[in-house]
Amino acid sequence: EAGVAQSPRYKIIEKRQSVAFWCNPISGHATLYWYQQILGQGPKLLIQFQNNGVVDDSQLPKDRFSAERLKGVDSTLKIQPAKLEDSAVYLCASSLDWGPNTGELFFGEGSRLTVL
Amino acid sequence: AQSVTQLGSHVSVSEGALVLLRCNYSSSVPPYLFWYVQYPNQGLQLLLKYTTGATLVKGINGFEAEFKKSETSFHLTKPSAHMSDAAEYFCAVTASGGSYIPTFGRGTSLIVHP
Repeated sequence: EAGVAQSPRYKIIEKRQSVAFWCNPISGHATLYWYQQILGQGPKLLIQFQNNGVVDDSQLPKDRFSAERLKGVDSTLKIQPAKLEDSAVYLCASSLDWGPNTGELFFGEGSRLTVL
Repeated sequence: AQSVTQLGSHVSVSEGALVLLRCNYSSSVPPYLFWYVQYPNQGLQLLLKYTTGATLVKGINGFEAEFKKSETSFHLTKPSAHMSDAAEYFCAVTASGGSYIPTFGRGTSLIVHP
């Protein structure tokens, strides 16, 4: 079974530029998450999708971050304009459903962003 | 609201020694608790989980954890460390009657010396 795919693995940009990350979850997984992992910290949820609807985006900085999940499969996370503090690893995860077994997430390898 | 505290950002052990990684949680409803491991340049993968039932849960690679409600703890242990266990370990909690969105701790880096 193919895992969660993310791209690009690494991205270096200047502040105020834009960047987009792509995620393809495990086939059949209805729930998709984007987490931000800053060096030395645990993952912090940015947004959760159930199929193509948003369940929680309370910690997404909406003035600069946006995310979509068209057709309930792939997802894209965009940052525009980027700030220095956005340097982090962006983790995409998926789970079969949303409920008591939500904690069993399957993670991609992450996209490491460096903002100069 | 739910939260997780992992005591010690780094734990160093000798190969063959006991591994103990500490996790305390806060939740207003019965929690579901998880340990994930992250190897360098990889995503997180599930080690073990507690939802209901037996409070001692066994996971992959010889790890186990015990849910202690009275202590609000879910510490991770392994009797004998191996060099390949060196990684970052994250404790996570979801609330059984809440949003079910996993909240992660800051992580503990396990260092294994030969």
